[in-house]
Formats: sequence, structure tokens, C-alpha cells
Amino acid sequence: SQKIEQNSEALNIQEGKTATLTCNYTNYSPAYLQWYRQDPGRGPVFLLLIRENEKEKRKERLKVTFDTTLKQSLFHITASQPADSATYLCAPAARYNTDKLIFGTGTRLQVFP
Amino acid sequence: IAGITQAPTSQILAAGRRMTLRCTQDMRHNAMYWYRQDLGLGLRLIHYSNTAGTTGKGEVPDGYSVSRANTDDFPLTLASAVPSQTSVYFCASMRPLSGNTIYFGEGSWLTVV
Repeated sequence: SQKIEQNSEALNIQEGKTATLTCNYTNYSPAYLQWYRQDPGRGPVFLLLIRENEKEKRKERLKVTFDTTLKQSLFHITASQPADSATYLCAPAARYNTDKLIFGTGTRLQVFP
Repeated sequence: IAGITQAPTSQILAAGRRMTLRCTQDMRHNAMYWYRQDLGLGLRLIHYSNTAGTTGKGEVPDGYSVSRANTDDFPLTLASAVPSQTSVYFCASMRPLSGNTIYFGEGSWLTVV
């Protein structure tokens, strides 16, 4: 069955450092992969999407990579800030599979001043 | 633009009672979803609807039913609530094309006692 793995342990880093979160998937051939941010008590919010033919995608301080051979996506936040503290979810998806977008369990990021 | 509106925001419900969680979107998205989120288990898809008049089962459909009479509304009904249905429920819709970005509501916190 399809499986998405994100580090369930919280990632604690110091302000100004680069945070790197990992998303691994198995039994999947996603055409694209999405990343979402979720704050406590709120619904997830879309951040970035990367397609299978893209190796890297950037948006301001965010960078996402997508390695279809390793079946892995990395999510980087450079110059991290305490306001970046949240849970980050990944969601790989097949090209035409709009029926079921499945999410990883998420990794909680805590940025300390 | 309101996006996705869920109601109620929170509810305490006696076991065995019937409950309907309401979800309305104003973005004219065809696809809509109901997820539940539990600690350690992440977001799990309950039911989905690709377009008005059609629905489908997700990963954890038992004990839940949905209807999609029109594009905007997608209510989730618990016919006879049980304590294991205590969770936070998120309604979502999908913006077509552009990687099928998911938009989430702010959640409905349900406690079954």
C-alpha cells in the first residue's frame, strides 16, 4: 500500500539556521508533491508544489527538492524564524488521482530565538 | 472571499446521537473532501466528492456518510456517534489544475462522550 513517511519527532533549531524536513514515500509514482503548513488549531495551508520533472523549487526562504529515484522530497527553510514554528505536511499525488490526496503525518518544527 | 466555512467550530456530543458537520465553499471547486486528524495518525480521508451528485469512500469511511446535492455544500453525518469518533474534522476542496492545491477549512472539534 502507499506509504508516506515524515519524521514524527519534532525538529528543534536555532533562529537563523536552515531547517530541513524530509518526506519519503513508497509504492507511489507521484507526478507532483505538495507541502503544507499547519499551525496549532488551524487547518493546513498550501505552501509549495513541485512536479516530477522539477528537481528544485524555491519561494522566498523556502526550497523544495524532489528526487523520484530516491522517492524523497526535502523541504528547506533558510534563515529560519520563530514564526516558522509549525507542523509541515507533505502530500505526493499521482497525476490524475484527484480522488484521494493523502498526507504524511507531518513534522513539527520549533525555531528558538 | 470566505473560502471554506465549517460549522460548528466545536461540539460535545453524547454517544449514540446523530450529528451533522456542515461545510460550505464559495470557490466553485468541484472536488471536496472530509478528513479527520488524530494525534500520531495525521490526516485521514473519510469521504470525498469529485463533483456534485457523486461521492466516494476514503480511508476511514465507517460510521460516516456524506451527500453532495450542489457544488458548494458537503455535509458529513455521524449517524450514531461513538467515542472513537472524537477528533478534529477538516473539510477541504481542491482547486483544479495547477497541481490540484487543497484548501482547508479551520476544522470542527468534536468530542463524543
